[in-house]
Order: sequence, then C-alpha cells, then structure tokens
Amino acid sequence: DQQVKQNSPSLSVQEGRISILNCDYTNSMFDYFLWYKKYPAEGPTFLISISSIKDKNEDGRFTVFLNKSAKHLSLHIVPSQPGDSAVYFCAASEGNKLVFGAGTILRVKS
Amino acid sequence: GAGVSQSPSNKVTEKGKDVELRCDPISGHTALYWYRQSLGQGLEFLIYFQGNSAPDKSGLPSDRFSAERTGGSVSTLTIQRTQQEDSAVYLCASSLGGGITELFFGSGTQLSVL
Repeated sequence: DQQVKQNSPSLSVQEGRISILNCDYTNSMFDYFLWYKKYPAEGPTFLISISSIKDKNEDGRFTVFLNKSAKHLSLHIVPSQPGDSAVYFCAASEGNKLVFGAGTILRVKS
Repeated sequence: GAGVSQSPSNKVTEKGKDVELRCDPISGHTALYWYRQSLGQGLEFLIYFQGNSAPDKSGLPSDRFSAERTGGSVSTLTIQRTQQEDSAVYLCASSLGGGITELFFGSGTQLSVL
C-alpha cells in the first residue's frame, strides 16, 4: 500500500517555463514533507521541505505548496532550467523515517 | 570524508551467494538509514539506526537481510543467499538524528544478482 504517490512518472517542460510536480499522500499523521532530487548514479539530495503547519515554502526558484485537506503537495520550479532535469522524489515523515514516492522524471528541454 | 560513503559502488553476484554492503556515514551523524530502489520503484525503507537504541528493522523484506552498525558509525548490510529480486540500488543515508531531519544520501551500491 503506497502511502506516498507520485502519479506522473515523467514530465517534459520547455526551458524558462514552470515545472509542477505533484504528490499525494494517504496518511494524515504525516507532519513533515520533503522533496529530493536525484541525478543518475548519485544519491538523492535534499531540495526543499515544508512542515504541516504551513501551506507554502519558497526557496529561490523552488516553491512547495501543501494542501492538507486534499493530502496533496506540489513542487513548482520557475523558471525551469536544463540542469533541473533529474528524478524528483516526494517524501513524508513517519516517526523517524521517510516514506518516499516512486519519483517523477523531469526533462527540461532547451 | 565530507559525505556519506558507500562501497562497493557496483556488485555483481551469483544467486545464492552472500553479499555485504558498507556505509560510512557523515561524522557526527547519529542516525543511519538503509533504503533500496528497485528498477522503476521508489525508495523502500529497510532499516534505521539511532544512537545506541535498538534499530527499527520493520522494512527488512526477509530474514535473509540483516544490518549492523559498529561503534555508532560504520554500518554493514548483509544479504544472505541472494535472489534475483534482490537486484536494486541500495542507498545509505545519515542525519543528525533527534527527530526527522534532512537525510544525506550516499551514491548507493548497485547490486546485480545473476
């Protein structure tokens, strides 16, 4: 039973446009959410996070939105750059461990 | 080193053999995690160590899998009698601990069981 779901396996965006990556979760006890970015042959690296007491967190080109009532979060990248091409994982904290989604492959075309 | 180090980076083994995967966490990080990523899948939690507490082994898929963490630092993940379905990238991560914080991942070990 997947508690964190990323329903889009891949997304293709033109350079300079907005990338929107979506994530849904089922466990209402999750209280902290994170996005990780992964390049091939490397481990995931932390990108941005949000606490359940907030609905938005912004860091440069990256903004995460949380809709608790819908159990949905999204990552916006504006403007998208070719170097943003990677796999993006959504994660939620359950106690002391993170539960990850399956990832979305983002391709930014120049 | 500055980051989480894992070895080997690649391991090819025959079905039925035992393998050991090693993880050196970031110095000072009290929490250590093992995850694996099978082809086309997300990161699957395996085991979590926090300081001297008993590890959370709830994610280990079978009793062929075990892990230990010696001296609160280096960790070894052992898979006995490997099966083809064990083929995956095994990722280690560490964090400062004390509640969920940012995890720092190593580059992983790509395990291929023939």
